[in-house]
Amino acid sequence: DAKTTQPPSMDCAEGRAANLPCNHSTISGNEYVYWYRQIHSQGPQYIIHGLKNNETNEMASLIITEDRKSSTLILPHATLRDTAVYYCIVRVYNNAGNMLTFGGGTRLMVKP
Amino acid sequence: DSGVTQTPKHLITATGQRVTLRCSPRSGDLSVYWYQQSLDQGLQFLIHYYNGEERAKGNILERFSAQQFPDLHSELNLSSLELGDSALYFCASSGGVGEQFFGPGTRLTVL
Repeated sequence: DAKTTQPPSMDCAEGRAANLPCNHSTISGNEYVYWYRQIHSQGPQYIIHGLKNNETNEMASLIITEDRKSSTLILPHATLRDTAVYYCIVRVYNNAGNMLTFGGGTRLMVKP
Repeated sequence: DSGVTQTPKHLITATGQRVTLRCSPRSGDLSVYWYQQSLDQGLQFLIHYYNGEERAKGNILERFSAQQFPDLHSELNLSSLELGDSALYFCASSGGVGEQFFGPGTRLTVL
């Protein structure tokens, strides 16, 4: 699986959009970009994933650059409950060995 | 609530002991994954079971073993425990090749 690079920490004001970047310059054509988050010591929570098109769900939007070498997770109106560590993971979407490889992630602090 | 349950929530034991952690996947999910999260190592994949069969192994020590039963629940057995085994242990389930849903974890403290 391709390696990802994320900033170790970011701050965001409550109510503003949080934009979390991720670099994955060695991504292969069949690898998807996944985002998970972990609030305090809870189990990681799936947020969103995508291949090359931008994706949106009730939690967030995922913007993937045309060359697929980077992506941005957007939380449109961050709340204090969005304070968490956000993990960007790149992996193949198939049946063989679907483990997730977590890096250091970005610690997002949402401030009042 | 992810639908994945883990028991116990907390476990305190002594070095050299053996413990069993239990995981019940979401209804209908055939895959169970185990992960370990320690302060210095971050979240690490241990092992994956699919419908009772081992599918992949990660950084799992030989002192650790797991199995998935016919009712699809899974158990992670940790033996000859050492101080360094103190960590959060998460299991996750998935229905196929999609996203994984994590349980609340078991916090293991080895004294």
